[in-house]
Amino acid sequence: DGGITQSPKYLFRKEGQNVTLSCEQNLNHDAMYWYRQDPGQGLRLIYYSQIVNDFQKGDIAEGYSVSREKKESFPLTVTSAQKNPTAFYLCASSPDVRETQYFGPGTRLLVL
Amino acid sequence: SQKIEQNSEALNIQEGKTATLTCNYTNYSPAYLQWYRQDPGRGPVFLLLIRENEKEKRKERLKVTFDTTLKQSLFHITASQPADSATYLCALRNRGSTLGRLYFGRGTQLTVWP
Repeated sequence: DGGITQSPKYLFRKEGQNVTLSCEQNLNHDAMYWYRQDPGQGLRLIYYSQIVNDFQKGDIAEGYSVSREKKESFPLTVTSAQKNPTAFYLCASSPDVRETQYFGPGTRLLVL
Repeated sequence: SQKIEQNSEALNIQEGKTATLTCNYTNYSPAYLQWYRQDPGRGPVFLLLIRENEKEKRKERLKVTFDTTLKQSLFHITASQPADSATYLCALRNRGSTLGRLYFGRGTQLTVWP
């Protein structure tokens, strides 16, 4: 069964804590992306990766970090420097950067 | 500044009618424009892509048009059904972008009532 998986579905963060959101794809896609979605706003790009071991900052990278050690995995860490982390986080992938992006089911991050 | 605007935040229509959603853009030169459907608490699902040199695309009850002069795309759902109720997002990729970034509108929430 091919697709993009994100886990967990819900994640709770305490003050000062770093948390990591998982994104895995078995579509053999080269490019992967992380977006943040807030109510009433369009999706905003956090980070993207064209190929393994390479990634670039998007529009709102401050307070976030990523890694791309494997083609199928692109985890996002929300650090304590991100002061307003409550949002719906979406991971996407595409065969390459010029093609359609396909999204995972999302992770909702809440702050305790 | 660059903007992508989708007509209204919410659109309510009766079952069986045609829903028409609008996406207008400013200060972009799209290589292509895409439409996604998003249900509450779920990730967007890709529906249709239309390229800059195409005027119209169809898929079953869906139709997308693209007018680069008006800087506008229209998304139509014919014979709408309550199951079509969702938020619809438009997104575009700028011509010349080697990094494939998509820029999204805020979405239009469509409700189809019986």
